[in-house]
Amino acid sequence: EIVLTQSPDTLSVSRGDRATLSCRASQHIGDKLIWYQQKPGQAPRLLLHHTSARAPGVPDRFSGSGSGTEFTLAISSVESEDLAVYFCQQDYDWPPAFASGPGTKVESK
Amino acid sequence: DVQLVQSGTEVKKPGESLKISCKGSGYSFSDYWIAWVRQMPGKGLEWMGVIYLGDSSVRYISSFEGQVTISADKSISVAYLQWNNLKASDTAIYFCARGTYHSGHYLDYWGQGTPVAVSS
Repeated sequence: EIVLTQSPDTLSVSRGDRATLSCRASQHIGDKLIWYQQKPGQAPRLLLHHTSARAPGVPDRFSGSGSGTEFTLAISSVESEDLAVYFCQQDYDWPPAFASGPGTKVESK
Repeated sequence: DVQLVQSGTEVKKPGESLKISCKGSGYSFSDYWIAWVRQMPGKGLEWMGVIYLGDSSVRYISSFEGQVTISADKSISVAYLQWNNLKASDTAIYFCARGTYHSGHYLDYWGQGTPVAVSS
């Protein structure tokens, strides 16, 4: 089974900073990488699929890149509403799986 | 608007049974599939399984096979997640979420989550 690992565990940012989150796959997954955002007390929200395709309504300050085993979610200029936990997921192979662990928390510095 | 509305908070004892629900609206329910996702307290997300509503087939993640049952009643646009013998380790928030055929296994709309607490 494919294992995903996110880093860092926590990212402390100020408003307007650029934030970069990483997700590494244990084997090649092409571009089959998805990112979700979860705010406290809420359900996750789809941000990006196929590495870089933004879901409807997602601001263009969110971008995704990478292929194979190394992927990045970037927030070009962090807004207060972006403070949340971010999860990556692969759908290259069954079973689809989120990264193990509690995701990357983007918090206020 | 697409909505997935889940049933409310449950408090149960070990050994009891439970069935939680997820009602879809604002789209053609049978043209999509529904996944169930577990989030244990303070932890990440885990896929549990998928029901493909076109033919009502179900596929479970191996760690949940035999532990839960996923089903649906397409006539009322509701999907279900069921346990026959709850354990304290089933304490979690359970989300249903929608997926699109031919687009891969990702989840574009989510229910609000059903908290389940199991304690003696």
